[in-house]
Amino acid sequence: GENVEQHPSTLSVQEGDSAVIKCTYSDSASNYFPWYKQELGKRPQLIIDIRSNVGEKKDQRIAVTLNKTAKHFSLHITETQPEDSAVYFCAASWWAAGNKLTFGGGTRVLVKP
Amino acid sequence: GAVVSQHPSWVICKSGTSVKIECRSLDFQATTMFWYRQFPKQSLMLMATSNEGSKATYEQGVEKDKFLINHASLTLSTLTVTSAHPEDSSFYICSARVRGGEAFFGQGTRLTVV
Repeated sequence: GENVEQHPSTLSVQEGDSAVIKCTYSDSASNYFPWYKQELGKRPQLIIDIRSNVGEKKDQRIAVTLNKTAKHFSLHITETQPEDSAVYFCAASWWAAGNKLTFGGGTRVLVKP
Repeated sequence: GAVVSQHPSWVICKSGTSVKIECRSLDFQATTMFWYRQFPKQSLMLMATSNEGSKATYEQGVEKDKFLINHASLTLSTLTVTSAHPEDSSFYICSARVRGGEAFFGQGTRLTVV
């Protein structure tokens, strides 16, 4: 089955700086890669996603890049703000696996004012 | 976006009793729903895939007789934790995907077994 590795597990940045989180996946058939933000005790919320036919996607301060050959994808947050502090999860899936998402281990991001 | 509602949001039960958690898709039909368990400061671990009208598919290591899943309609899946023990205390969360796209999550249920 799919295996998703996520790094780093914790990330502390100064407000205004950029944050980068990286994930690798094992199944070359995976074709959908979402990123979720989860605040303490809350449900995960999708912040951005990318499909395997696209190499990069951007939404305001958030961008995701995908390298299919290397089987890794990254989340980039620019101009970080204190409200960006949360746990971020990457995930991967493909339709033949029943559309189930396999999650990375998570990254706890702390943005210091 | 689509709405997935989970109930209850928290429950405390005595060891040895059973607890049922409901997951509803409010504005779309979900032939498939997913149940995850999340321990403190850990990731979401898929427990099982709930299929409407058929048996659930359990991930390796998940006891199907302990975690009973029923998906009797296109908008409701239930997870019953049977004979709960303190080690079953966790955050249980369901999700459903709309036509292979974005996955929407329920609010989650914090189960505490005392």
